[in-house]
Amino acid sequence: AQSVTQPDIHITVSEGASLELRCNYSYGATPYLFWYVQSPGQGLQLLLKYFSGDTLVQGIKGFEAEFKRSQSSFNLRKPSVHWSDAAEYFCAVVSGYSTLTFGKGTMLLVSP
Amino acid sequence: EAGVAQSPRYKIIEKRQSVAFWCNPISGHATLYWYQQILGQGPKLLIQFQNNGVVDDSQLPKDRFSAERLKGVDSTLKIQPAKLEDSAVYLCASSPEVPSEQYFGPGTRLTVT
Repeated sequence: AQSVTQPDIHITVSEGASLELRCNYSYGATPYLFWYVQSPGQGLQLLLKYFSGDTLVQGIKGFEAEFKRSQSSFNLRKPSVHWSDAAEYFCAVVSGYSTLTFGKGTMLLVSP
Repeated sequence: EAGVAQSPRYKIIEKRQSVAFWCNPISGHATLYWYQQILGQGPKLLIQFQNNGVVDDSQLPKDRFSAERLKGVDSTLKIQPAKLEDSAVYLCASSPEVPSEQYFGPGTRLTVT
């Protein structure tokens, strides 16, 4: 069965520093991968997606992610974090017909 | 373009009571999803509709949860009777095609006391 692992429950980053959030997936076929962000009391907003092609994908708000098949990873990166990036981040994989399986999320805290 | 609408935003009920949530997807989106998000966890799919039909309800606790999608547009999710462990945020999402990104509504936070 498909699964997504986000090994970091919380991450604290200083404002202006770089960020990398880890995501590992388990899925037999070529995966469709997503990163979503959730601010407190809000729904999930799509940051970026990977379906095929270039393994480095660009998203909104200056985020990017790199698909590495050999490592079954899809890590999210941002070169310079802003205080407004503080939120919870979810990695997800599509399997089957179109079912999204989410990781447990990583809470990003941004320190001044 | 209007996003996915959900109501109510918050609901507090006592255990064994019933509750219903409503979702209006983005216009033209054929696929509609209901997710349950328990505090500290990622969303878990409860049920997926393709137009009027159910595609996947394998994780829906059918003894107490039910959902319908009338005329392939709006959807309601009902819990009867509610249990304490049903306390969660219920998210509705829609997508124009499969596979595709899903667009989420703001969610309904349910507290069962």
